[in-house]
Amino acid sequence: QSVLTQPPSASGTPGQRVTISCSGSSSNIGSNYVYWYQQLPGTAPKLLIYRNNQRPSGVPDRFSGSKSGTSASLAISGLRSEDEADYYCAAWDDSLSGLFGGGTKLTVL
Amino acid sequence: QVQLQESGPGLVKPSQTLSLTCTVSGGSISSGGYYWSWIRQHPGKGLEWIGYIYYSGSTYYNPSLKSRVTISVDTSKNQFSLKLSSVTAADTAVYYCARGRGLQFLDYWGQGTLVTVSS
Repeated sequence: QSVLTQPPSASGTPGQRVTISCSGSSSNIGSNYVYWYQQLPGTAPKLLIYRNNQRPSGVPDRFSGSKSGTSASLAISGLRSEDEADYYCAAWDDSLSGLFGGGTKLTVL
Repeated sequence: QVQLQESGPGLVKPSQTLSLTCTVSGGSISSGGYYWSWIRQHPGKGLEWIGYIYYSGSTYYNPSLKSRVTISVDTSKNQFSLKLSSVTAADTAVYYCARGRGLQFLDYWGQGTLVTVSS
């Protein structure tokens, strides 16, 4: 059971907008930045969003992040088949521990 | 372009110590400002943070693994290492090394290496 809670699965059709939530607490999301990682099948995770809502160079603007209180969300607009992957949120916890969410498997129908 | 590559035995016997090395290329570990990190992923499961070593030598470990984990740096070889003692089958996982620009801000990852704990 991860301290950061994500839905295990999400789905959408091509072109749709989907959101993935990540719920934490005041000691992690509530007081630290949130990061999002995309893991395509058989590959290492890739940084998708940093410091709540910033995109690294090369990440399409179809991906966006937000944070409010002790929760965060990843939104993917204009869904594409290549977005089918596992998505993980991450945050530091003030107990001096790094946290990952349990991951959300995104299926493009 | 920074690249990281994990290396080490793919099979470790129960009760022994798992030892992995991450070789960094395209940048210097001693240049400062980064958290050199280990993360693992049990088969078919999510990511688990193991720990960091900051360029200054400070270490941060997952509390659930702290008693068994040591992360160290060898700046002369541009490598950092993970040692996990007293392993069991529950430590079977893909182990990733990564560079952190901040806590949980992991911008470059190695490809990962599968370590199986079995007699």
